[in-house]
Amino acid sequence: GAVVSQHPSRVICKSGTSVKIECRSLDFQATTMFWYRQFPKQSLMLMATSNEGSKATYEQGVEKDKFLINHASLTLSTLTVTSAHPEDSSFYICSVGTDRADTQYFGPGTRLTVL
Amino acid sequence: AQSVTQPDIHITVSEGASLELRCNYSYGATPYLFWYVQSPGQGLQLLLKYFSGDTLVQGIKGFEAEFKRSQSSFNLRKPSVHWSDAAEYFCAVGSGGGNKLTFGTGTQLKVEL
Repeated sequence: GAVVSQHPSRVICKSGTSVKIECRSLDFQATTMFWYRQFPKQSLMLMATSNEGSKATYEQGVEKDKFLINHASLTLSTLTVTSAHPEDSSFYICSVGTDRADTQYFGPGTRLTVL
Repeated sequence: AQSVTQPDIHITVSEGASLELRCNYSYGATPYLFWYVQSPGQGLQLLLKYFSGDTLVQGIKGFEAEFKRSQSSFNLRKPSVHWSDAAEYFCAVGSGGGNKLTFGTGTQLKVEL
């Protein structure tokens, strides 16, 4: 399967700052990537679907101006949390979609803590 | 809207014992069903999936799951658990051809030696 990396694995930032999280598909050209967030003791929630070369599709209730997604190449998608606040603290996970709609490969996640 | 329920938040089993993790789903059509395992520092790994055919699905690491439409269930089983199986397990249902996933809240498995 595809190898997916995320950087950084952990980040701590001050309230009001912006944080960028990278998701890389190391050995697979990913036309579609997905971004999830996972609160402690809770499930993964799909935030948005990122398509290479086009605008991301956000799930209901996810602020697109707060969670900026850029998918400029077939190997890289970025999620920028703008003006982060403590309630944005979470575990952010990306996944890479494949030509099989029922198959995704997940990155190891990024732990964001906003002070 | 689709949903997934994993009624057991934590399960503890002894090494060598059998395991069953429960998953119930709600979905209007024939579902795509998945079981993933999440270990610290690692991405979710797919254990197995079902979308048609034989209702008993074999996966990796000795896991299997059975789709029961009448019960809206897709329970995960393993006949003999190893200490390395300790992790968090997520059941998910997929729509849109399978790639739009809705996850359950997960079951944390602890294995006692």
